Amino acid sequence: DAEITQSPRHKITETGRQVTLACHQTWNHNNMFWYRQDLGHGLRLIHYSYGVQDTNKGEVSDGYSVSRSNTEDLPLTLESAASSQTSVYFCASSPGLGTTGELFFGEGSRLTVL
Amino acid sequence: ELKVEQNPLFLSMQEGKNYTIYCNYSTTSDRLYWYRQDPGKSLESLFVLLSNGAVKQEGRLMASLDTKARLSTLHITAAVHDLSATYFCAVARYGGSQGNLIFGKGTKLSVKP
Repeated sequence: DAEITQSPRHKITETGRQVTLACHQTWNHNNMFWYRQDLGHGLRLIHYSYGVQDTNKGEVSDGYSVSRSNTEDLPLTLESAASSQTSVYFCASSPGLGTTGELFFGEGSRLTVL
Repeated sequence: ELKVEQNPLFLSMQEGKNYTIYCNYSTTSDRLYWYRQDPGKSLESLFVLLSNGAVKQEGRLMASLDTKARLSTLHITAAVHDLSATYFCAVARYGGSQGNLIFGKGTKLSVKP
């Protein structure tokens, strides 16, 4: 079955370290997204991509970067982790224009920055 | 600024009772989505509402969309414990079908015997 997988599922790191969260989807969806979920804030969009080589900033993009070198993967990098980036991160994908616009989510990655 | 507001944010219900969760949004979107999240789990799509007046039902849950009022409701009929979860509504950020959604803060539903 097609799916979207995230790794690692849990990670503890130290302030200042670089961290990369992987996201891989096998639906062949054009669009991929990274959200973070925090108590009291719901889900907030970090970065998104509408296709290979396309990346865009979301509402909380500071301190994060993404790259899209193929259809299947959108890794999220924290260049220098900060305690404020402790959160649960969700990757999601969507087929793209002309569809329902529904998002399909991965299982989430819980990141703790000490 | 696009806003999506849900209320209530917390809801404690007794089994067998009915209740409605409200989702107001500030843009002219004709697409609205409802998701369910169990504790520690991912988000699962419940309903996709794509036009004014759309109504969808699945079991004890029914969702509707009024684009003129910028309001969607999620009605729970005869609640059971299995419906305990957090429910999110979401709206297409730029009104399109790209999947770029802005989410409400969620309604945490607890159904008690």
